[in-house]
Amino acid sequence: AQSVTQLDSHVSVSEGTPVLLRCNYSSSYSPSLFWYVQHPNKGLQLLLKYTSAATLVKGINGFEAEFKKSETSFHLTKPSAHMSDAAEYFCAVSEKGYSTLTFGKGTMLLVSP
Amino acid sequence: EAQVTQNPRYLITVTGKKLTVTCSQNMNHEYMSWYRQDPGLGLRQIYYSMNVEVTDKGDVPEGYKVSRKEKRNFPLILESPSPNQTSLYFCASSLPGRGSPLHFGNGTRLTVT
Repeated sequence: AQSVTQLDSHVSVSEGTPVLLRCNYSSSYSPSLFWYVQHPNKGLQLLLKYTSAATLVKGINGFEAEFKKSETSFHLTKPSAHMSDAAEYFCAVSEKGYSTLTFGKGTMLLVSP
Repeated sequence: EAQVTQNPRYLITVTGKKLTVTCSQNMNHEYMSWYRQDPGLGLRQIYYSMNVEVTDKGDVPEGYKVSRKEKRNFPLILESPSPNQTSLYFCASSLPGRGSPLHFGNGTRLTVT
């Protein structure tokens, strides 16, 4: 069975400093992995996805993530945080046919001036 | 504009009064799904549909029904709502295949008193 663990429920950074949001996954097969962002009162927006091509994936708004099979991790990073990055972030995995995604519990990113 | 549309955005109802949350997508996607989002629990899948007339249970299907009579529509039905169904609900759609990202609606916030 597939599962996702987001290791931090909250992460606080200062504007201009790096962001690291951690995600570990469990999957019996070669997974597809996703990061989504949710701003207040909004739906989820896709940031980036990994589907067995390049292990370093670049997404929107300067975010990227690296797939590490040996560590079963898919951590999300950004070199320099912006105030507009403050939101909740969800890691998700899919291994089954079609697009059945299993989500982590989310990480709230707080950005201070 | 490609989108998933849910209605209503907000709904307050009483225990036992049947309700339907509508979901429509204009991207000709085969796959559609319903999730509920609760604080600290992330998103959990309620039901999904791989195509017209094909639906299946997700992780938390109790108390919900769905139907898929047309490709674009995937309504969520609560025949007898209870307070533990108070939640934020999201409809999502995608093309088939585990690498296809989900496109989300803006959510329906349901309160059952």
